[in-house]
Amino acid sequence: DSGVTQTPKHLITATGQRVTLRCSPRSGDLSVYWYQQSLDQGLQFLIQYYNGEERAKGNILERFSAQQFPDLHSELNLSSLELGDSALYFCASSGRDYSYNEQFFGPGTRLTVL
Amino acid sequence: GQSLEQPSEVTAVEGAIVQINCTYQTSGFYGLSWYQQHDGGAPTFLSYNALDGLEETGRFSSFLSRSDSYGYLLLQELQMKDSASYFCAVTTDNQGGKLIFGQGTELSVKP
Repeated sequence: DSGVTQTPKHLITATGQRVTLRCSPRSGDLSVYWYQQSLDQGLQFLIQYYNGEERAKGNILERFSAQQFPDLHSELNLSSLELGDSALYFCASSGRDYSYNEQFFGPGTRLTVL
Repeated sequence: GQSLEQPSEVTAVEGAIVQINCTYQTSGFYGLSWYQQHDGGAPTFLSYNALDGLEETGRFSSFLSRSDSYGYLLLQELQMKDSASYFCAVTTDNQGGKLIFGQGTELSVKP
């Protein structure tokens, strides 16, 4: 158990809808990262937050947005969903004791868009 | 652009040694990590190399050559439970940065 929690575990929705994925980082970690894993694209970095502020952005679509709250949990919002958004979405965290070399991944949310 | 190349599949027998190579081409480089992922599960950290040389952790070792933009993961005394996907990943900045992942190598360990 990495200490990172993600909800929900599975999500099935229709095209055009909007969903919110939630992540609670490991205790003491200030950095939260979101990754998307699909069969054809592998693990793709989406966005990083550090202590509530956006730190880095990857290949994140404009339809996607994220935030990190004062209690350090993070949410990834996906809107106007398309079939191609079906994927595993992982949240990871790091930074406890100023250690960033290892990222701790949550169990993921499997999103299916029908 | 950023690219990491690793073999898509490797097969080995129990008890053997296997090496998974990774070459990278990225706009910045601070370190090379390796992660293991069992089918549908969360990636788990195996190792991190920031400097040239070999790092050993139990049955797993990882090597880095910054001048060759190359690294490898060495798995010894293979066990059936080592069957998984292995990803190399590059940290491109020193701000507690994001990971750029390779496409992964699926390792199958046969009895």
